[in-house]
Amino acid sequence: DTGVSQNPRHKITKRGQNVTFRCDPISEHNRLYWYRQTLGQGPEFLTYFQNEAQLEKSRLLSDRFSAERPKGSFSTLEIQRTEQGDSAMYLCASSLTNTGGAAEAFFGQGTRLTVV
Amino acid sequence: GQSLEQPSEVTAVEGAIVQINCTYQTSGFYGLSWYQQHDGGAPTFLSYNALDGLEETGRFSSFLSRSDSYGYLLLQELQMKDSASYFCAANNYGQNFVFGPGTRLSVLP
Repeated sequence: DTGVSQNPRHKITKRGQNVTFRCDPISEHNRLYWYRQTLGQGPEFLTYFQNEAQLEKSRLLSDRFSAERPKGSFSTLEIQRTEQGDSAMYLCASSLTNTGGAAEAFFGQGTRLTVV
Repeated sequence: GQSLEQPSEVTAVEGAIVQINCTYQTSGFYGLSWYQQHDGGAPTFLSYNALDGLEETGRFSSFLSRSDSYGYLLLQELQMKDSASYFCAANNYGQNFVFGPGTRLSVLP
């Protein structure tokens, strides 16, 4: 297993355009998370999936953001009508979780979004 | 609300020991994790404490006190490659992780 894979690694887009990122988690992991990180800050939680079900979405997340995880495998994160404030690193992580929750999440290398 | 606090920067010399503290205020606290992130890299897992006490993993140790809502990461025998940002993260209701703002560690020769 090569770990969590994210594509593309970099994306430059014009303000107002839509963008979509993909995350391929570690294959046996049942939980998948999306985080956003800006320079000098910690990762900020966006949403997570348990298998194909989206169980939580941050209240800070604009309705321009949507995520899917069809069939509980890969996930996509779409941002509609991008704004300059959306410029950040978007991190995906996965974990194998039991009833006590996960101790460890494995992160991908991220997709760096720049909105110009 | 949920929040974690860490010092923004710590500096130490090679071979020294450094402690990075983390205090948290979260609901549904399950445990505290620590992650390392080098510039341009992904966060990587270091340790996790679900119970009070000390967990040791090689040169790194982590401590948790639930009654004090406090934990720390202890790095021993510092090496240049340990220069990175370190994040504490609270396991929130066993569902997701809430990260602290990070501590930037600089190891000097």
